[in-house]
Amino acid sequence: SQKIEQNSEALNIQEGKTATLTCNYTNYSPAYLQWYRQDPGRGPVFLLLIRENEKEKRKERLKVTFDTTLKQSLFHITASQPADSATYLCALDIFPGRSLTGANNLFFGTGTRLTVIP
Amino acid sequence: DAGVIQSPRHEVTEMGQEVTLRCKPISGHDYLFWYRQTMMRGLELLIYFNNNVPIDDSGMPEDRFSAKMPNASFSTLKIQPSEPRDSAVYFCASRNLETNYGYTFGSGTRLTVV
Repeated sequence: SQKIEQNSEALNIQEGKTATLTCNYTNYSPAYLQWYRQDPGRGPVFLLLIRENEKEKRKERLKVTFDTTLKQSLFHITASQPADSATYLCALDIFPGRSLTGANNLFFGTGTRLTVIP
Repeated sequence: DAGVIQSPRHEVTEMGQEVTLRCKPISGHDYLFWYRQTMMRGLELLIYFNNNVPIDDSGMPEDRFSAKMPNASFSTLKIQPSEPRDSAVYFCASRNLETNYGYTFGSGTRLTVV
């Protein structure tokens, strides 16, 4: 069956360190992989997207890698801050608009709750 | 832009009652998605629309669930009759593939069926 796993339910890290979150998947061939941030009581917020032919993408303190051979994405937050504390979700975008009548779905992992300790 | 707007934010209803959740997508977004989030199952896609037309409703759990999108600025998700196992947070999201592949989510409706 199809499966998306995020490395752990919770991750605690000291302020200033780099947080690394892992997303592993099986039985998918995603064209895109997306990362979202979700705060309590709020909807997920889009952070970054990486394409299947890209190895790495950066945005400010965020970095995402995508290894389609290992079927894995790593999400890094450098110089972490208490304000980065949230749940981070990875999502596989299987058919992003390739066909209007085909599946167009974002499959989400269950998330990793990151806590940055001051 | 006010983002994706959902109402109500919270809904408490008795088992057997009809529940209607509402969503206003971002103007210009041609895809609209309804998701359900629970602790056990995470985020699950229920149904999505493209240009107001339902494309894939395979995630709708039962016939008790129905969704409509009468125009580009409004969609509803209806549960009739509601059951306690429907308790969850329901999110609406929209997207425009021409400008951004990222989904924009609303703040959700927390539904409690007692």
